[in-house]
Amino acid sequence: DSGVTQTPKHLITATGQRVTLRCSPRSGDLSVYWYQQSLDQGLQFLIQYYNGEERAKGNILERFSAQQFPDLHSELNLSSLELGDSALYFCASSGDGEGAEAFFGQGTRLTVV
Amino acid sequence: AQSVAQPEDQVNVAEGNPLTVKCTYSVSGNPYLFWYVQYPNRGLQFLLKYITGDNLVKGSYGFEAEFNKSQTSFHLKKPSALVSDSALYFCAVRDFVAGSYQLTFGKGTKLSVIP
Repeated sequence: DSGVTQTPKHLITATGQRVTLRCSPRSGDLSVYWYQQSLDQGLQFLIQYYNGEERAKGNILERFSAQQFPDLHSELNLSSLELGDSALYFCASSGDGEGAEAFFGQGTRLTVV
Repeated sequence: AQSVAQPEDQVNVAEGNPLTVKCTYSVSGNPYLFWYVQYPNRGLQFLLKYITGDNLVKGSYGFEAEFNKSQTSFHLKKPSALVSDSALYFCAVRDFVAGSYQLTFGKGTKLSVIP
């Protein structure tokens, strides 16, 4: 158990809909990262938050947004969903140290039909 | 910007033989390097990391990795492969960019250990 919790584990929704993925980081970790993993694109970095503030953006679409709340949990919002958004979405958290490793949740498998 | 390259999409090795999964990196400062493993339908699991010190780093499940600064490489190794080692392996680099530590992953290498 990594200590990072993601819900839900599976999500099936229709095109055009909006969904919210939730992540609870390991106790004490201030950094939260979101990644998308699809068969043809590998592991793509989406966005990073640190203690409630956005710190880095990767290949995140404008239809996607995220936030980190005061209790440090994070949510990834995906809207106007397309078939191509079907993927595994991972959340990871890490401590502050320069060599701190990231710990990953089990992921949310999103299927857009 | 930092980057990681895993030149092999797939590595096949016979059970009991030594295995190597290759990784090269590019960073602006000191390299903080990591290996992760992903089993089917699971999240990534941390295997080992290099921060400083000995160039040979030992990690979980008998894996080790060799840091080579001159070749900017961090290859993952195991003396004797097991069928249960079959999985997807990711190399990653952590660098301080624009005020925060960012973690960049390679594309992954699928390891198949053949009985």
